[in-house]
Order: sequence, then structure tokens, then C-alpha cells
Amino acid sequence: DVKVTQSSRYLVKRTGEKVFLECVQDMDHENMFWYRQDPGLGLRLIYFSYDVKMKEKGDIPEGYSVSREKKERFSLILESASTNQTSMYLCASRGRSGSGEDTEAFFGQGTRLTVV
Amino acid sequence: RKEVEQDPGPFNVPEGATVAFNCTYSNSASQSFFWYRQDCRKEPKLLMSVYSSGNEDGRFTAQLNRASQYISLLIRDSKLSDSATYLCVIGYQKVTFGTGTKLQVIP
Repeated sequence: DVKVTQSSRYLVKRTGEKVFLECVQDMDHENMFWYRQDPGLGLRLIYFSYDVKMKEKGDIPEGYSVSREKKERFSLILESASTNQTSMYLCASRGRSGSGEDTEAFFGQGTRLTVV
Repeated sequence: RKEVEQDPGPFNVPEGATVAFNCTYSNSASQSFFWYRQDCRKEPKLLMSVYSSGNEDGRFTAQLNRASQYISLLIRDSKLSDSATYLCVIGYQKVTFGTGTKLQVIP
């Protein structure tokens, strides 16, 4: 089974702190994604990466950065946490089939971040 | 226009009813289509992929209409355990989710 593991289920941080959210997948997937999910707004894409050291902005990248030094690990960084970044953060990975088609995305269990 | 649009619901249906959700997308180059299910406080999980020819999995039927740029999910003989939020997912270079449609099946 594909496994996507996020480092923390619950996190409480103070305003202004630098926050690292880690995500590791074990299926050698090329594509990895970070989303945040808020009531009424659904899942919104923050950043994604289609290869090591490659990153692309999603729909709401402001206030975030990412790092992908190894294929299996995709980190989300909140440079200076703010209260409006309190949210559920979900990491996902996706591979390609032998015929080159995108496979389903697999999710980590989510990190509920509270910034106080 | 949003990239992916879904009716948020909630859809409240009695057990045994048939219910259908639609999801429209704006990028005609979209290549992959999925329906996910998300239970409260859990991560989304794949329900089914959506193929051009349409596909069925038990009580669930998914269809793709490229000309009108929408996908649909039909649930027959609804069960209480079908209560969840259903997310449509459209893939091109990135994976874009709809905001989800909440389904509540009532006894």
C-alpha cells in the first residue's frame, strides 16, 4: 500500500514562528502536493512539485515556501506563522502508470495547525 | 470562472434513494478525473476514477462529458454509510479539487 506520512497530526505554534511541515511518501512518486483545507473553501493548492528540486506555485502560495531535496520528501515551510494560517494541511503524492497516465493521489492523514 | 465547481449541498436524502452530483471544470486540456470521498476529520480517499466511456463500481456510476466539461457521480440505493463529502478532482499538471458536496443519508 502507498503510504504518505505527515510528521505531526496536531501542532500549535506562536505567531511569527517558522514552522516546518514534513511529508514523506514511499512509492517513488514524482508528484507531490501541499493543500490546506478550510470549512467552506475546500482543498486549496499551496505548492506542488513534479521532481526533485522542482516546485510550482499553486493557488495560494503567499506566506509559504517548500523544499524538495529528495524524491520521497516534500516540506512545507511557513516563514513567519500568522493566525490566518491556522488550518488543516494535507500532503498528497501521485505517480504515473506505465502508459504515462496520472494515477490517483494519495493523501497523508493531515496536520491540524493552530497558530496562536 | 473557478477551475472546478461543485454544488456544496448539503444533499439530504432518505435511505434507498438515488442521488447524483455534478462537477464542472474550466480547463479543456484536463486529462484525469476522479471522485474522492472524505469523512469528517479524515483525509480524502479515492472513490473511483472517471473514464471517458463511463464506469461503474457497484452502486456507484461515474461519467465524463468532455464536450460540456463536467463529470458526474450517481449513487443508487443510498446507505447511511454513504454520508460523507464527495470531492471531484481534475488533473492536468496540478491536481485541483472541487470544494466538495456534502451528502447526508437519513433513515
